[in-house]
Amino acid sequence: DAKTTQPNSMESNEEEPVHLPCNHSTISGTDYIHWYRQLPSQGPEYVIHGLTSNVNNRMASLAIAEDRKSSTLILHRATLRDAAVYYCIPTSGNTPLVFGKGTRLSVIA
Amino acid sequence: GAVVSQHPSWVICKSGTSVKIECRSLDFQATTMFWYRQFPKQSLMLMATSNEGSKATYEQGVEKDKFLINHASLTLSTLTVTSAHPEDSSFYICSALGALFYNEQFFGPGTRLTVL
Repeated sequence: DAKTTQPNSMESNEEEPVHLPCNHSTISGTDYIHWYRQLPSQGPEYVIHGLTSNVNNRMASLAIAEDRKSSTLILHRATLRDAAVYYCIPTSGNTPLVFGKGTRLSVIA
Repeated sequence: GAVVSQHPSWVICKSGTSVKIECRSLDFQATTMFWYRQFPKQSLMLMATSNEGSKATYEQGVEKDKFLINHASLTLSTLTVTSAHPEDSSFYICSALGALFYNEQFFGPGTRLTVL
């Protein structure tokens, strides 16, 4: 499994963009980069995933470095409901997800 | 997106009793389900992989006789914590993988087990 490094915590003001970084320098060529988030006392929730190109969906954008050794999850306008632990997980498909410590995002009103 | 449910959402039991937790995929068939547990302020730890119709594969350090997993149908997997003890108190979470959803796993809401 590729090792990931994420900041332990980050803080954002409400309505402002948030950039959550992740280093995954040992990622294999076939691994997708997945992002999940976990709200308090809930199961993880899928956010977005990508392979090489940047990706956008209704929840967030994912910017993937050209060498694929890092990626950044972008929340365009943070809301209080976005306060959660965000996990960056390289995975090769139908295998169990290996969760690191993630980044705890706090959103200030 | 696809929905995964867990039942019960929380349970309190006495030490020595057994507790069954159900994980259901509500609107898709899950060929594989995964069971995780999460202790307070820690990340999710994979316990086992459950494939429909075959024996579960347990991670190192997880006792298969204590955590019985049954995946009898494409929409249901159960985890039974046998002879539960206080150290088994944790948040148990399942996830499901469907044939149509390559690269995306769907997680249940979790079951909080408290053993007195």
